[in-house]
Amino acid sequence: LAKTTQPISMDSYEGQEVNITCSHNNIATNDYITWYQQFPSQGPRFIIQGYKTKVTNEVASLFIPADRKSSTLSLPRVSLSDTAVYYCLVGLLQGGKLIFGQGTELSVKP
Amino acid sequence: GAVVSQHPSRVICKSGTSVKIECRSLDFQATTMFWYRQFPKQSLMLMATSNEGSKATYEQGVEKDKFLINHASLTLSTLTVTSAHPEDSSFYICSGTRQGFQETQYFGPGTRLLVL
Repeated sequence: LAKTTQPISMDSYEGQEVNITCSHNNIATNDYITWYQQFPSQGPRFIIQGYKTKVTNEVASLFIPADRKSSTLSLPRVSLSDTAVYYCLVGLLQGGKLIFGQGTELSVKP
Repeated sequence: GAVVSQHPSRVICKSGTSVKIECRSLDFQATTMFWYRQFPKQSLMLMATSNEGSKATYEQGVEKDKFLINHASLTLSTLTVTSAHPEDSSFYICSGTRQGFQETQYFGPGTRLLVL
């Protein structure tokens, strides 16, 4: 299973764009990259998923370079409510299990 | 869509008793469900993977006789912590994958277990 590496923590201010990069050097050909957000005492919430290039939805963008060995989650104009732990995961297609890394604890300050 | 519920949301029990946690996919059929455990300030740790109608596959170090998993239908999986001890106190989270969309897991809200 592909191992992921992310910064342990990041600080930001309200209104700023936040980019969290994840390394996954041994990603497999059929692995998707998925990002989750987790608030204290809650289950992780799906944010975005991609396979290659760029994916954008209403809350975030995901940038994946051609070699797919890393990915960057971009949160535009963060607010205090975006303070959470963000996990980057790579998993097998067809129901493969996901292994959570340490995640990135994002702290948004006023 | 893709909502997963867990019941109870929190439970307190005495040491030596058994506790059952239910995980339901409310608006989709979950061909595969996963159970995780999370200790304070730590990441989620996968305990087991269960497919409907078959035995669960446990991760290394997880006692299958202590953590009984039943995935009797495509919308329900249960985790029973047998003879619970204080060290089993943790946050238990389940997830499910939808048929045809198996690269994405949808997580439940979690169950806080406190064993006294």
